[in-house]
Amino acid sequence: DADVTQTPRNRITKTGKRIMLECSQTKGHDRMYWYRQDPGLGLRLIYYSFDVKDINKGEISDGYSVSRQAQAKFSLSLESAIPNQTALYFCATSDPDRVDNQPQHFGDGTRLSIL
Amino acid sequence: QKEVEQDPGPLSVPEGAIVSLNCTYSNSAFQYFMWYRQYSRKGPELLMYTYSSGNKEDGRFTAQVDKSSKYISLFIRDSQPSDSATYLCAMKIQAGTALIFGKGTTLSVSS
Repeated sequence: DADVTQTPRNRITKTGKRIMLECSQTKGHDRMYWYRQDPGLGLRLIYYSFDVKDINKGEISDGYSVSRQAQAKFSLSLESAIPNQTALYFCATSDPDRVDNQPQHFGDGTRLSIL
Repeated sequence: QKEVEQDPGPLSVPEGAIVSLNCTYSNSAFQYFMWYRQYSRKGPELLMYTYSSGNKEDGRFTAQVDKSSKYISLFIRDSQPSDSATYLCAMKIQAGTALIFGKGTTLSVSS
């Protein structure tokens, strides 16, 4: 089984719909992240969480919200989806005991298309 | 000017070639430098990590950081078809801050 699991892997939906992307991990890491990847723009950080009680905005948090339900679960919501949120979304985890503690373990992504 | 610049390629080389992948950056405060490899339909995986300046070698891979020039490189020796992927550079100022990614360079190694 994958260490970082994202569901769904693919989703097509309509403008205005509420969408939730889910991430679960078996790494036992406290730190979790949500990124989006767009062609020509690279990976950009949406939100991150250093533990269950800690939520922080990233570079592009507008239009998104997150919930850290447990150490192993971190979900990303789009309250009212719009077409420019069409992208590939990645969840990642990192080990705070490493001095560098950068994101190390990525899921395989959720491809989201908003029509 | 974006903080991290990376030529998207694509870069095509024959098997066995030495590959050089590069990123430039504008923020002199960056101290942590990483390279990620991303296969098609997969998430990025951490390949190399370097703190501050210098070289780091791991098998066929060598990462170099030149802070005076604000330039980082990843060299792949004896490239293999399995190295065909997108390579992302990433960097950050200090532990606990966000990673800033380059756009990625797509590499194709032909047998």
